[in-house]
Amino acid sequence: GNSVTQMEGPVTLSEEAFLTINCTYTATGYPSLFWYVQYPGEGLQLLLKATKADDKGSNKGFEATYRKETTSFHLEKGSVQVSDSAVYFCALSESGAQKLVFGQGTRLTINP
Amino acid sequence: DSGVTQTPKHLITATGQRVTLRCSPRSGDLSVYWYQQSLDQGLQFLIQYYNGEERAKGNILERFSAQQFPDLHSELNLSSLELGDSALYFCASSHLSGRSYNEQFFGPGTRLTVL
Repeated sequence: GNSVTQMEGPVTLSEEAFLTINCTYTATGYPSLFWYVQYPGEGLQLLLKATKADDKGSNKGFEATYRKETTSFHLEKGSVQVSDSAVYFCALSESGAQKLVFGQGTRLTINP
Repeated sequence: DSGVTQTPKHLITATGQRVTLRCSPRSGDLSVYWYQQSLDQGLQFLIQYYNGEERAKGNILERFSAQQFPDLHSELNLSSLELGDSALYFCASSHLSGRSYNEQFFGPGTRLTVL
């Protein structure tokens, strides 16, 4: 079945560091890909999405490019802030369906 | 604030008991989804309702059931509870259900603890 694999956490960085969180997927067809963020005590918020190959999703300085050839959707940010501390989930939505399949989540902590 | 509300926020109960979790979707959203987040299984899709009808089913146990009412709110019923049912249960809503993806808006979750 479809699945998403994220790099294991937790990840700890200093403020202004470069961030990469790896995400790879297995899917039949052409899924849509997403990054969700979960701040402490809150529900999930959509951070960015890409619905077809080579699309780049971006929001709040975060970016991810849908790479069909490597089945990847890595999340990047050039300069992280303390407020970016959260759990990040990579997810896919199967073609023709709406349920989300999530990766295991990566906890990110940014130190001042 | 996503506009999706869930009650209660926390629930503590004993094994063998039955509980009901409630979700009110964003105004105008017809689809409701339930997800379970646990330490060992991660975030898993349970079930989806669209305008009162079941639309998709995931890894939902037979002890669990859900429904969506005419006012579009949804309830997730968990019965014969086991220790392993302790988890965070999220509800999400979206406007449409069809071939194209519609952004899902998540509620803050209900934390269930089974003792």
